[in-house]
Amino acid sequence: AQSVTQPDIHITVSEGASLELRCNYSYGATPYLFWYVQSPGQGLQLLLKYFSGDTLVQGIKGFEAEFKRSQSSFNLRKPSVHWSDAAEYFCAVGAMASSYKLIFGSGTRLLVRP
Amino acid sequence: DVKVTQSSRYLVKRTGEKVFLECVQDMDHENMFWYRQDPGLGLRLIYFSYDVKMKEKGDIPEGYSVSREKKERFSLILESASTNQTSMYLCASRGGDISPGGYTFGSGTRLTVV
Repeated sequence: AQSVTQPDIHITVSEGASLELRCNYSYGATPYLFWYVQSPGQGLQLLLKYFSGDTLVQGIKGFEAEFKRSQSSFNLRKPSVHWSDAAEYFCAVGAMASSYKLIFGSGTRLLVRP
Repeated sequence: DVKVTQSSRYLVKRTGEKVFLECVQDMDHENMFWYRQDPGLGLRLIYFSYDVKMKEKGDIPEGYSVSREKKERFSLILESASTNQTSMYLCASRGGDISPGGYTFGSGTRLTVV
């Protein structure tokens, strides 16, 4: 069965520091992978997605993520965090066979120190 | 941009009441979804619909039903609300192309059952 693990419940970084949020997935075939961000009281906004091709994908707001098949990972990165990046981040996996259904991780809450 | 509109941001209902959560999308998307979001559990799929009058159970359908009479509208129904259904409910939609684009989410309905 498909599953997504985000091992960090909370992460705190200083403004201007780099950021990496971890995501590991379990799926037998090539997955479709997504990162979403949720600001307080809001719905989820798509940051970036991976379907195939270049394993380093660029998203909105300066975020990028790298697909590593050997590690079953799709970690999200940003070189310099801004205070407005404080939010909850969700990794999700979809499958070709059931492409209308996404499985979400439990989320990582990012706190940004001034 | 696709808009997904959830009719209520906040709802307070009494135990045993029948509750309707409404969701409307404006981009003629085939697929619509209802998730509930709880701290530490991420998003869990309740029901989804891939066409008018078509529906499938997600991972946690117990205590819920859905209705999709028109393509743009997908309703979640709590037949007899219980306190363990207090949660944030998120509606999403997605087009029907073969490669899954990201979902578009509504802003959520925070339901409290007292």
